[in-house]
Amino acid sequence: DAKTTQPPSMDCAEGRAANLPCNHSTISGNEYVYWYRQIHSQGPQYIIHGLKNNETNEMASLIITEDRKSSTLILPHATLRDTAVYYCIVRPDSWGKLQFGAGTQVVVTP
Amino acid sequence: DGGITQSPKYLFRKEGQNVTLSCEQNLNHDAMYWYRQDPGQGLRLIYYSQIVNDFQKGDIAEGYSVSREKKESFPLTVTSAQKNPTAFYLCASSIVGGTDSNQPQHFGDGTRLSIL
Repeated sequence: DAKTTQPPSMDCAEGRAANLPCNHSTISGNEYVYWYRQIHSQGPQYIIHGLKNNETNEMASLIITEDRKSSTLILPHATLRDTAVYYCIVRPDSWGKLQFGAGTQVVVTP
Repeated sequence: DGGITQSPKYLFRKEGQNVTLSCEQNLNHDAMYWYRQDPGQGLRLIYYSQIVNDFQKGDIAEGYSVSREKKESFPLTVTSAQKNPTAFYLCASSIVGGTDSNQPQHFGDGTRLSIL
């Protein structure tokens, strides 16, 4: 499985956009990029995933570079409830394990 | 509402005791998974199952056992052979295959197991 690199922490002001980077330089052609987040003492929450096109849903946008070696998760208007650890994962199978790294601790401040 | 239910939320184990963690889903998902999370770390896969009556070991299966007698249920037993069972245990499920072959896993809210 391809590995990912994320900054250990980020701060973001409430109401502003939060841009979370992820490097996955060894990603293979059939591997998807997934984003999850985990609020303290809860299970991970699925946010979004994509293969090569940019994706948007009600929670966030996912921007994948043309060479697919990196991606950015965008939370358009961060709220205090978005404070969590955000995980970027690459995954080849339609099912099977998710390889979680250490993630990025995002703290949204008033 | 559809979802994944894990119980109990907190569980205490005595030395030498087996304990079973429950995971039930009403999402009609084929695949189910058990992960373990230690403080400040990511999740590690214990066992997973694609269909009823079939399951495979994950990365850290030693000291654990599972069964999959029903599609909606995937209980995890932490046996006395697991010497360091204190952790946060997470159950997940997902669709297998379909027209959109890459489907996300959805997680329950976890069971926190501690040693007495």
